[in-house]
Amino acid sequence: AQSVTQPDIHITVSEGASLELRCNYSYGATPYLFWYVQSPGQGLQLLLKYFSGDTLVQGIKGFEAEFKRSQSSFNLRKPSVHWSDAAEYFCAVGTGNQFYFGTGTSLTVIP
Amino acid sequence: DTEVTQTPKHLVMGMTNKKSLKCEQHMGHRAMYWYKQKAKKPPELMFVYSYEKLSINESVPSRFSPECPNSSLLNLHLHALQPEDSALYLCASSQVAGYMNTEAFFGQGTRLTVV
Repeated sequence: AQSVTQPDIHITVSEGASLELRCNYSYGATPYLFWYVQSPGQGLQLLLKYFSGDTLVQGIKGFEAEFKRSQSSFNLRKPSVHWSDAAEYFCAVGTGNQFYFGTGTSLTVIP
Repeated sequence: DTEVTQTPKHLVMGMTNKKSLKCEQHMGHRAMYWYKQKAKKPPELMFVYSYEKLSINESVPSRFSPECPNSSLLNLHLHALQPEDSALYLCASSQVAGYMNTEAFFGQGTRLTVV
């Protein structure tokens, strides 16, 4: 069965600091992986996606993620966090028929 | 146009009311989805439409009734809801359901409160 795990429920970082959000997946076939961001009361915005090819993918807003098949991970990174990055972040795996979401990581950015 | 538009943005309804949520996309996507999201939780899949036909129903109570009148529109009809149905309802679309390498585009959601 497919599943997505985000081990960190909540992360606090200082503005300008680097960020890494963890995501582990369980899926029997080649995974198609996504990171979405959600501001309070809003819909989900796609940050980046991995389908195949280069395992380091670049996304919007300066985010990147690295796919590591051996670790079943797809961690999201940003070298310097901005206050506007405070939001909920969801990792997801696509199976073709639907998308399975992790439980989310809430990011707080302090000045 | 990469937008999924949902209306209304907010809805308050009584337990005996009938209301509908609407979702529209003009990206030529042939798969559309309804998700329910409670506070501080991930979205939970309710329904998937593929080529205007219902392909997945995640054991959703019959008080929620989806409808896909055409490839651009998706409705969710609500009747006799319970207070625990209060949530953010998200609509999404993707190019085609059944293909792996396609991402979902989400609308801004309808914040539903059942009183």
